[in-house]
Amino acid sequence: EPEVTQTPSHQVTQMGQEVILRCVPISNHLYFYWYRQILGQKVEFLVSFYNNEISEKSEIFDDQFSVERPDGSNFTLKIRSTKLEDSAMYFCASISDGNSPLHFGNGTRLTVT
Amino acid sequence: GQNIDQPTEMTATEGAIVQINCTYQTSGFNGLFWYQQHAGEAPTFLSYNVLDGLEEKGRFSSFLSRSKGYSYLLLKELQMKDSASYLCAVKDDYKLSFGAGTTVTVRA
Repeated sequence: EPEVTQTPSHQVTQMGQEVILRCVPISNHLYFYWYRQILGQKVEFLVSFYNNEISEKSEIFDDQFSVERPDGSNFTLKIRSTKLEDSAMYFCASISDGNSPLHFGNGTRLTVT
Repeated sequence: GQNIDQPTEMTATEGAIVQINCTYQTSGFNGLFWYQQHAGEAPTFLSYNVLDGLEEKGRFSSFLSRSKGYSYLLLKELQMKDSASYLCAVKDDYKLSFGAGTTVTVRA
């Protein structure tokens, strides 16, 4: 069964540094998402992306965050200047149409020190 | 916005049945989803309701009442491997919003 793949599985960075989290959605999927989950807390929506543009973003997704689909297969989340509170598990997800269940990748654990 | 409530924890015995309730208030509704999440792992899809009624998938069933803003997930013949967090999630036009999850502990 096709999978959403995310790299790296774990990223450690220093506060103030830029990080790029990478995702390869399932190939025929059209809608892409980033979610995050701080340890012990709920899964929170960050951003949705369709037709090469952001369709919705949450209050968490401020100017420090950006998303890109650079080459038709990868879907990236960039955090420009990381803060301690950005430490979380980041999940990428994709779906083929608006009514399908989201398929999540295995996540990237981001640790900001 | 979305407001999704579910109990924090439940405990049940192996072989038993557990029902996890979820109530929601949303600004838009395009379906209610249930996911399972083991500690340190990604959520995995279990069940989906868009119309009122019961959906059955093996040992797992999910029910929806849109007029009451209510759903439940029923787990039958519990196994030790069912110990996990169960997430209720509501979809509007663009995104899935999650509840805080119910941690189910299955005891022998």
